[in-house]
Amino acid sequence: NAGVTQTPKFRILKIGQSMTLQCTQDMNHNYMYWYRQDPGMGLKLIYYSVGAGITDKGEVPNGYNVSRSTTEDFPLRLELAAPSQTSVYFCASKSVGTDTQYFGPGTRLTVL
Amino acid sequence: RKEVEQDPGPFNVPEGATVAFNCTYSNSASQSFFWYRQDCRKEPKLLMSVYSSGNEDGRFTAQLNRASQYISLLIRDSKLSDSATYLCAVNSRGSQGNLIFGKGTKLSVKP
Repeated sequence: NAGVTQTPKFRILKIGQSMTLQCTQDMNHNYMYWYRQDPGMGLKLIYYSVGAGITDKGEVPNGYNVSRSTTEDFPLRLELAAPSQTSVYFCASKSVGTDTQYFGPGTRLTVL
Repeated sequence: RKEVEQDPGPFNVPEGATVAFNCTYSNSASQSFFWYRQDCRKEPKLLMSVYSSGNEDGRFTAQLNRASQYISLLIRDSKLSDSATYLCAVNSRGSQGNLIFGKGTKLSVKP
């Protein structure tokens, strides 16, 4: 199993550009999460999903959108990139009935 | 009071030392508690879940104090390879497994 994979690893965007951060898991987990981590800070939840077709906002959803059309994939969309979105983005997943989340390697995004 | 608080450190300790971190949480309804380890520029990885009775895994011991609303992590006989940031995470009943993370405590083990 590859676990949780994320692409791209790094990206530089200009202000106003858009992009999609990809997240895929092959563990058949129902729950998936997107976090952002700013330097020296903990992780903050952006969006989460409890299953295909179901998404909900986390603590910091503004400026982002998500979709969950399959169990495996949970892409995060940035429509109008802003410098405040410069961060490291982590995707995570977990199975029903457990609390342990497994994280992907992260996407390091810089908005200039 | 922040939901989950940790001393950011850094904790600079010599090899072989014993070091302890605490993490306080504000929501008394919290049900599950975890310690994650995060290496520089890497993803968090689960180190230990924290059970009410306390639990031990080799050199690592985690404890929960519900009355005072904190969890602790004790590392004995520190190794150079223990150098990392340790994040505590807490979830609450009915939160869909959503975790609230502390900012992390940085540990640096020196030779």
